[in-house]
Amino acid sequence: SQTIHQWPATLVQPVGSPLSLECTVEGTSNPNLYWYRQAAGRGLQLLFYSVGIGQISSEVPQNLSASRPQDRQFILSSKKLLLSDSGFYLCAWDEPGNSGNTIYFGEGSWLTVV
Amino acid sequence: GQNIDQPTEMTATEGAIVQINCTYQTSGFNGLFWYQQHAGEAPTFLSYNVLDGLEEKGRFSSFLSRSKGYSYLLLKELQMKDSASYLCAVVDSNYQLIWGAGTKLIIKP
Repeated sequence: SQTIHQWPATLVQPVGSPLSLECTVEGTSNPNLYWYRQAAGRGLQLLFYSVGIGQISSEVPQNLSASRPQDRQFILSSKKLLLSDSGFYLCAWDEPGNSGNTIYFGEGSWLTVV
Repeated sequence: GQNIDQPTEMTATEGAIVQINCTYQTSGFNGLFWYQQHAGEAPTFLSYNVLDGLEEKGRFSSFLSRSKGYSYLLLKELQMKDSASYLCAVVDSNYQLIWGAGTKLIIKP
């Protein structure tokens, strides 16, 4: 069966510090991978998605970046965090191709920028 | 623009039935999802509708009317553990997921 894990689960970072959130998927090949952010009381905001190694599409211009160094690994990074980067970050995956596939989420990472 | 509307918050009583509505205006339609999200946790998949009608899955049912741009999630025999946010999401013509802000459901004894 397929599983998705992301870490760390929680982190508190000072403004201006770097960020790295990691996500891995097991049990599938060439998945579509996503990074979402959910601010308190708001809907899911798609940040990045990837259809393959090294292929990253950015949905929202910001100081975050994403990389996919391996087929089932997706990394969210920042060189300098802002207060507004605080939120709940979710990695997700679905099967390759466009057919309204069900999307599955990782456990989520709570980021507090102080 | 693309828009998903659902109530911000609803309250219901344990053992009762509640219906959470979702209306959408999107560029095309390739299906609608409902997810459940407990506080502080990731969303989990509940249902997927692509054709008109009612899909029943245990205590939960989901209805879709494409002509009206409307869906609802029906929860029966409510339990305290059903207290959560319920997210509606639509797949548009580009197969992008458009998310609603979610409905926070509060269950009272």
